[in-house]
Amino acid sequence: AIRMTQSPSSFSASTGDRVTITCRASQGISSYLAWYQQKPGKAPKLLIYAASTLQSGVPSRFSGSGSGTDFTLTISCLQSEDFATYYCQQYYSYPLTFGQGTKVEIK
Amino acid sequence: QLQLQESGPGLVKPSETLSLTCTVSGGSISSSSYYWGWIRQPPGKGLEWIGSIYYSGSTYYNPSLKSRVTISVDTSKNQFSLKLSSVTAADTAVYYCARRFVGADGSESFDIWGQGTMVTVSS
Repeated sequence: AIRMTQSPSSFSASTGDRVTITCRASQGISSYLAWYQQKPGKAPKLLIYAASTLQSGVPSRFSGSGSGTDFTLTISCLQSEDFATYYCQQYYSYPLTFGQGTKVEIK
Repeated sequence: QLQLQESGPGLVKPSETLSLTCTVSGGSISSSSYYWGWIRQPPGKGLEWIGSIYYSGSTYYNPSLKSRVTISVDTSKNQFSLKLSSVTAADTAVYYCARRFVGADGSESFDIWGQGTMVTVSS
């Protein structure tokens, strides 16, 4: 199985900050990567697929980049509603696998 | 607007079989661009893909659970189901059903999720 490793596991940030979350795949996955946001007690919400394509309705402050083994999710100007846990997920091969999550907390 | 809703017992005894159903409303489960899947999340932990099914019945399972998992689809009821046998406390989790979009260009995503249902394995 392809292992997805996110960094950092958690961090604190302030509203207005630019934040970047990294996801590394244990082998090349081309651009077959999605990002999700999850708030406590809620189902995950799709943000980005194909590494950099923004899902309809997702604010443009979210962006994704990367291919191969290294990917990033960037939030250009953190808003209060963005404090959540973020997951990457590869769909290059079965089994589909997720990163362990990155929790973005309020500083 | 398409919605998914999980249903099933919230408490299952060890060694028994966990059974959940996902009802799809606002759209057809027989759409050609979609698979339908189950994902779980143990308390305080990350997400684990369990398996997916196409409306034709083709299934894909996580090898870590394959010996215990069965996913089936009932197109007449617009539902798909999960059965997980021989459960232990390690199977305690929130179970989500989700629609998995598969694009012609190979792009994929779990784009619509159910609200999730907590299943506890305990005697």
